[in-house]
Amino acid sequence: EVQLVESGGGLVQPGGSLRLSCAASGFTFSSYWMSWVRQAPGRGLEWVANIKEDGAEKYYVDSVKGRFTISRDNAKNSLYLQMNSLRAEDTAVYYCASRSFGSSWNNWFDPWGQGTLVTVSS
Amino acid sequence: DIQMTQSPSSLSASVGDRVTITCRASQSISNYLNWYQHKPGKAPKLLIHAASSLQSGVPSRFSGSGSGTDFTLTISSLQPEDFATYYCQQSYITPITFGQGTRLEIK
Repeated sequence: EVQLVESGGGLVQPGGSLRLSCAASGFTFSSYWMSWVRQAPGRGLEWVANIKEDGAEKYYVDSVKGRFTISRDNAKNSLYLQMNSLRAEDTAVYYCASRSFGSSWNNWFDPWGQGTLVTVSS
Repeated sequence: DIQMTQSPSSLSASVGDRVTITCRASQSISNYLNWYQHKPGKAPKLLIHAASSLQSGVPSRFSGSGSGTDFTLTISSLQPEDFATYYCQQSYITPITFGQGTRLEIK
């Protein structure tokens, strides 16, 4: 069974740091781009970051550039999100997702994990 | 950035109804459009990719259409398990962007 399980969320003060992890199983993790997507309370889904299969390419939404770092360890089938200089507006459920590609570079997120909650508050 | 606008933002319908949700992109995205279903506390679920391709395992009552800037998700006969929030998402260019969501509620 294909599965993604996030961990590492919690309560952190503004300006603090947190590292999220995503454990993958049931598929060849090293063959897939991976992503983080978040959902703030009462809001919709927001893409956060992508990382290529070998980690050589990384992309971020502007609001987290310079503060968040996406990484992966293919030997451990794990994806990470290092979050520094956290702000109240980073409060959200963070989902990891596998990114699949079809023809003509069409791509989509599937599957997704169940998410981990990050709360930034004093 | 490409803005994705869904309508309506919320919708009340009954079991057995036919429902259509629309999604408009701020510029042409060809068919780089995906639809997801999201229930509270659950992982989002891919329904449709590349505008009209039904994801494996998704019931055939779900269908998608459109190209360019205008897209639709149709549920032909609502089932109790379909009440959820639906999102469109463009994968044409980074940053990847989602619509604001359409909340489908029981009438």
